[in-house]
Amino acid sequence: GAVVSQHPSRVICKSGTSVKIECRSLDFQATTMFWYRQFPKQSLMLMATSNEGSKATYEQGVEKDKFLINHASLTLSTLTVTSAHPEDSSFYICSAHLAGKVGTEAFFGQGTRLTVV
Amino acid sequence: DQQVKQNSPSLSVQEGRISILNCDYTNSMFDYFLWYKKYPAEGPTFLISISSIKDKNEDGRFTVFLNKSAKHLSLHIVPSQPGDSAVYFCAASGNAGNMLTFGGGTRLMVKP
Repeated sequence: GAVVSQHPSRVICKSGTSVKIECRSLDFQATTMFWYRQFPKQSLMLMATSNEGSKATYEQGVEKDKFLINHASLTLSTLTVTSAHPEDSSFYICSAHLAGKVGTEAFFGQGTRLTVV
Repeated sequence: DQQVKQNSPSLSVQEGRISILNCDYTNSMFDYFLWYKKYPAEGPTFLISISSIKDKNEDGRFTVFLNKSAKHLSLHIVPSQPGDSAVYFCAASGNAGNMLTFGGGTRLMVKP
């Protein structure tokens, strides 16, 4: 199946600093990628839809100035958590679908465990 | 407002028996349903899916059943194996695109 690589898998940062998470589709092109967040023992919540070459679409309640998304190419989307605070500590996961195919399974990255201290 | 619900947070099953995981949804616009398996600190991995035009899809030990009138789907795993122990999420998508709405997950424990 298609492979989505997410990096880093784990990061610890100080409060007030910014962290960038990369999501790459390794063997296919993804015009759209999705970013999810998972709190402990909870479901995956969609944060935003990352569109190649255009602005991301954020879900209600997600601060776009805090969670900066860039989708500069068909194989790379980045999520930058700016001025991170301890409440931003979470598990962040990206996903992508095969370009042009609607209603198909998503391929997920390995996830990034962010801990803000 | 949870559009996709998995009412059982956990399920324990003996090895070799059937595991049945349930999922209910409220949004009638959903037309594609998926099951994912997730281990701690890893991304979900796709298991099986079903389109709303079908009521059953089978892949090896995994079968998904869809009851549209009841807005209910279930995942059957038979026979269950200890390696199946994980958190299982059902997800749904609709005409709006590929974004998935996830249920809360069910932790399956298969005992040897």
